[in-house]
Amino acid sequence: QSALTQPPSASGSPGQSVTISCTGTSSDVGGYKYVSWYQQHPGKAPKLMIYEVSKRPSGVPDRFSGSKSGNTASLTVSGLQAEDEADYYCNSYAGSNNFVFGTGTKVTVL
Amino acid sequence: EVQLVQSGTEVKKPGESLKISCKSSGYSFTSYWIGWVRQKPGKGLEYMGIISLGDSDTTYSPSFQGQVTISADKSITTAYLQWSSLKASDTAMYYCAKLGDNSEAFAIWGQGTTVIVSS
Repeated sequence: QSALTQPPSASGSPGQSVTISCTGTSSDVGGYKYVSWYQQHPGKAPKLMIYEVSKRPSGVPDRFSGSKSGNTASLTVSGLQAEDEADYYCNSYAGSNNFVFGTGTKVTVL
Repeated sequence: EVQLVQSGTEVKKPGESLKISCKSSGYSFTSYWIGWVRQKPGKGLEYMGIISLGDSDTTYSPSFQGQVTISADKSITTAYLQWSSLKASDTAMYYCAKLGDNSEAFAIWGQGTTVIVSS
């Protein structure tokens, strides 16, 4: 079960948008609606930002949005703010109570 | 408010055994799933496995099958992760995380337990 592929880094200026991709296979991302995204600040536990491809938990700003096409999911952060600088990980259900995380993307706010 | 509180930092020698814990509180249902996630220093998140607090049904990631044991005690709403013989490569932060209700996403996370294995 290989990790989902994410770009190592992404960046944008305050107010701009950044989109992170997450590529898997038909056995994970492409096969289920259960793609989630997590934000992790240095030294902190991950925080759920998006679940079921595009749903936001209560309290997550609507600047965060998710989508999926085929075997690739995407997270878009619109109106970048300084506090959005963090590592972001996608995760997909892979069947039989198994999950797989992405390789992680470091988002830098310029 | 649902909370997961993990046990504290552990410093062990190679070959020693270890059991770390994750206690949940503030959740009224008796059946829910707790997963374990490894993060090596400076690296990404790795899914290790998951257990049902209701009936201890357990699934391991193929990468971790046979390397660790996940267990739970429903009476004290606590999940465990244990090693019988630690290796230096087990040095990492370990997180427990609760699956959300009706969603296959890890909605609530513990604060993490640091495990250091060094001779």
